[in-house]
Amino acid sequence: EIVMTQSAATLSVSPGERATLSCRASQSVSSHLAWYQQKPDQAPRLLIYGASTRATGIPARFSGSGSGTEFTLTISSLQSEDFAVYYCHQYNNWPWTFGQGTKVEIK
Amino acid sequence: QLQLQESGPGLVKPSETLSLTCTVSGGSISSSSPYWGWIRQPPGEGLEWIGTIYYSGGTYYKPSLKSRVTISVDTSRNQFSLKLSSVAAADTAVYYCARPAADSSGYYGSFDIWGQGTLVTVSS
Repeated sequence: EIVMTQSAATLSVSPGERATLSCRASQSVSSHLAWYQQKPDQAPRLLIYGASTRATGIPARFSGSGSGTEFTLTISSLQSEDFAVYYCHQYNNWPWTFGQGTKVEIK
Repeated sequence: QLQLQESGPGLVKPSETLSLTCTVSGGSISSSSPYWGWIRQPPGEGLEWIGTIYYSGGTYYKPSLKSRVTISVDTSRNQFSLKLSSVAAADTAVYYCARPAADSSGYYGSFDIWGQGTLVTVSS
């Protein structure tokens, strides 16, 4: 089973600043990596798939990069609605696995 | 647009079987995707993939749950289902059904459409 590790459990960022979230896979997942945003009492929302492709309707301030084992989600200028929990997810190998999540909170 | 809705009991007794159904509306389950999946989230914790079914009936399950999980599809009802047997308190979670979508190369996996989720509590 591929273990997905998100290095920060919590990230404290001021509104308008850049946020950089990291996700590492225990073995290569190629570019088969997705990022999700989850707000309290809501279902997750797909932000990025294929490591770097924004999903439909996702603002351009969200960008993804990486391949193999190291991935990054960048939020260029945090808006109030971006404070949430973010998960990475690999779908290159069965079983599919999620990272444990990074909470982006207001500094 | 395509929507997913989970349904089933919100309370299940220990050792019994949890049964949930996901109803697909706004499109045909047969043509909307060849894959469908279930994910759960214990209270205050992260997301856990449970399993995914391929339209032909092929299934893929989380190894630690494999002996207790069954996912099936009923195309005539536009639904797919989850059964989890011998449940315990650790199975208490919000259960989501979701659609894995294809990327530009046709590789399926990222969940682009989710149900709202349903809380299932295991308790006597």
